[in-house]
Amino acid sequence: EAAVTQSPRNKVAVTGGKVTLSCNQTNNHNNMYWYRQDTGHGLRLIHYSYGAGSTEKGDIPDGYKASRPSQENFSLILELATPSQTSVYFCASGRGANQDTQYFGPGTRLLVL
Amino acid sequence: QQQVRQSPQSLTVWEGGTTVLTCSYEDSTFNYFPWYQQFPGEGPALLISILSVSDKKEDGRFTTFFNKREKKLSLHIIDSQPGDSATYFCAASGNQGGSAKLIFGEGTKLTVSS
Repeated sequence: EAAVTQSPRNKVAVTGGKVTLSCNQTNNHNNMYWYRQDTGHGLRLIHYSYGAGSTEKGDIPDGYKASRPSQENFSLILELATPSQTSVYFCASGRGANQDTQYFGPGTRLLVL
Repeated sequence: QQQVRQSPQSLTVWEGGTTVLTCSYEDSTFNYFPWYQQFPGEGPALLISILSVSDKKEDGRFTTFFNKREKKLSLHIIDSQPGDSATYFCAASGNQGGSAKLIFGEGTKLTVSS
């Protein structure tokens, strides 16, 4: 059974619209992460969380918000979507220890028109 | 600013051949270097990792080498198989107070032809 799931798997949004990407993990991990993947850039960290109620800015947070209402759930919110946010988004979880493995979800493909 | 650089961007090898992927990094405080493997339509998954106190780690057909002086690491795949066709990411992290943030390279798309 998949330990990190994401929804939706595919999303088409309009410029200026609000988009919410959801992530759920059953690993009971403290840390969760949101990345975007673009050709030539690899995976870039947008936001991360140490636990319920916590959100931290990653390396490219502009234009994104995050919410961690519970240990299991972590959402990425695009309040005003732009075409430059067209990408594949991955959620991951980890225990939070240094040298720790991160476990990734299957990704959400977002197209902003 | 890309702190972890990976090459080549793409690579094709024949079945049975040896694949070599390389990465370089800038931050001398990095001490943990995982390699992630990603198949199309899936999320990345940990393949192998190495700590800065080691210079080599082997797991079956996969070996990662680390050169602290040159700030470089590499992934070698011997007897490459079509099932190894995937995108490979190197990553790096240091001691960051519990965030365990990873910095990823740009990725190498490997195609193994039979």
